[in-house]
Amino acid sequence: NAGVTQTPKFQVLKTGQSMTLQCAQDMNHEYMSWYRQDPGMGLRLIHYSVGAGITDQGEVPNGYNVSRSTTEDFPLRLLSAAPSQTSVYFCASSLKQGVGYTFGSGTRLTVV
Amino acid sequence: AQSVTQLGSHVSVSEGALVLLRCNYSSSVPPYLFWYVQYPNQGLQLLLKYTTGATLVKGINGFEAEFKKSETSFHLTKPSAHMSDAAEYFCAVTAYSSASKIIFGSGTRLSIRP
Repeated sequence: NAGVTQTPKFQVLKTGQSMTLQCAQDMNHEYMSWYRQDPGMGLRLIHYSVGAGITDQGEVPNGYNVSRSTTEDFPLRLLSAAPSQTSVYFCASSLKQGVGYTFGSGTRLTVV
Repeated sequence: AQSVTQLGSHVSVSEGALVLLRCNYSSSVPPYLFWYVQYPNQGLQLLLKYTTGATLVKGINGFEAEFKKSETSFHLTKPSAHMSDAAEYFCAVTAYSSASKIIFGSGTRLSIRP
């Protein structure tokens, strides 16, 4: 049982490049979310999903796309990277409402 | 929209002293409330949660929190701080529109003085 696995752990992108941050969980959790963490701002919700085929926007969705084709995977796509997207990205999953999320170890992204 | 306010971005206490981290939320309906801890260069770990029932909630590592609806507060306490408690702590609340959507506060960094 690996929990929530995020890859890569570190990434440097050039402005304008695109990439996909991977997130996989092996706990059969229905709910999955992506957050970004910036100093002094806590965690801000980017996108979330309540099950395969169902996604919705969070607080800061611009510049990011998601899809949920399987229960296990919830990739986050950066369409055209900008320096403002330099951040630490966390993926999290939850079995159901109210039980709290299990977090991955994060991806540290730098856009130059 | 739901929101969470954590009072004090940095709290410093002596080892053995009481830890009190403050959290207030805005919600028009009873929420689910959470406290998470983040150690350096790691992900977040759930400390405790309030859903329904008893308003005093006990979590891991000796922490507890009390849900006070009249004050819209969910403060985190620990009677005696340990050096290993040094970390960042986040309060979180579920959004009214979707209980699967959790909104976080800006965090409080806890330092422990020897």
